Amino acid sequence: EVQVVESGGGLVQPGGSLRLSCAAAGFTFSNWWMTWVRQAPGKGLEWVANINHDGNEKYYVDSVKGRVTISRDNVKNALYLHMSSLRGEDTAVYYCARLVGIWDGLDVWGQGTTVTVAS
Amino acid sequence: SYELTQPPSVSVSPGETASITCSGDKLEHKYVCWYQRKPGQSPVLVIHQDTKRPSGIPERFSGSSSGNTATLTISGTQALDEADYFCQAWDSSMVFGGGTKLTVL
Repeated sequence: EVQVVESGGGLVQPGGSLRLSCAAAGFTFSNWWMTWVRQAPGKGLEWVANINHDGNEKYYVDSVKGRVTISRDNVKNALYLHMSSLRGEDTAVYYCARLVGIWDGLDVWGQGTTVTVAS
Repeated sequence: SYELTQPPSVSVSPGETASITCSGDKLEHKYVCWYQRKPGQSPVLVIHQDTKRPSGIPERFSGSSSGNTATLTISGTQALDEADYFCQAWDSSMVFGGGTKLTVL
């Protein structure tokens, strides 16, 4: 079964750091661009970051640039999101998703992992 | 930054047709995807490239685009279609609409 499963969320203090993980299964992970999307409480979906097949191209939403790093390990079939200098506005459910293409969207989504930034 | 605008809510009676719009500048020049998200579940891609349905998505879901507006249409709406629906397009990056809560009354 094609699936992605996120982990690593939790409660963190403002200014703290967290690493989210996404385990992929059922498809050739190294062939696909991957994406992190988040949804803050009461808000809509927000794209966070993309990474290409081999990890050499990375793109971020302006609000996380310099604080967040997307990475991947194609041997472990894993996607990561390293977050630092966390703020209250980073509180959200973070989804890992497979990117089919810029015209074809995100076709496989995980269940999400919750990040809460609060003191 | 590029913005996509959706109505916050749409209501429809069972069996009727629901239309959810998504507006953006020069949207006709971009491809739009639509996602369904039910409470407690992850989003599901229901339409891509404006009009295409992924495998497994019921035929009652269709998409269209004209001018600055893309539309998701659900024909013969069922109670199980009650969900939040998000449009998405690419400008210089991936952009989502604010979402529309579809209520099936």
